[in-house]
Amino acid sequence: RKEVEQDPGPFNVPEGATVAFNCTYSNSASQSFFWYRQDCRKEPKLLMSVYSSGNEDGRFTAQLNRASQYISLLIRDSKLSDSATYLCVVNPHTGNQFYFGTGTSLTVIP
Amino acid sequence: ETGVTQSPTHLIKTRGQQVTLRCSSQSGHNTVSWYQQALGQGPQFIFQYYREEENGRGNFPPRFSGLQFPNYSSELNVNALELDDSALYLCASSQSPGSGSAREQYFGPGTRLTVT
Repeated sequence: RKEVEQDPGPFNVPEGATVAFNCTYSNSASQSFFWYRQDCRKEPKLLMSVYSSGNEDGRFTAQLNRASQYISLLIRDSKLSDSATYLCVVNPHTGNQFYFGTGTSLTVIP
Repeated sequence: ETGVTQSPTHLIKTRGQQVTLRCSSQSGHNTVSWYQQALGQGPQFIFQYYREEENGRGNFPPRFSGLQFPNYSSELNVNALELDDSALYLCASSQSPGSGSAREQYFGPGTRLTVT
């Protein structure tokens, strides 16, 4: 079983829409969680860390559900510039290996 | 910009050759992690260096090796290149392997390696 699983999409949504991505992880002792975005042929950029109580940064909201072992990312009022691949990242309690999902592709359509 | 730099940007090598990739970490960061990203996949962890010592390794063979220097810059060396080694190689720096926000990793632009 993969450490991190994501729906690869693609998600095609109109401007202004709300879109949500989920990601599940297999190691219940996982400690740190992140969302990164990656534009085509570019490096991943940290979007936000995910905290146990959930956290929000402008139009972006991240949630963690430890009982069900998933994290989510909600994007409100989608912009054309949000088009990218969104990568879910999990860091187990032991070790320093970061596990990346395969990414979810989002295209925001005018 | 993250302040993490990598060189070279692109590289073409022949099967069996050896390659060295370089990474300079962001100011104030002492930890460097290396990843391999194949097309259409998420980055795969190769290893991490902290204070010049290897501090964790993913599922990569010994022909993948690395170094970290006193200024925290790092090298990734790959010997006996195989066609499957063709990928984007990313390095990421972080403040420390500690906890919380110190673990946040910031990526360089990557080196695109093609093995023919």
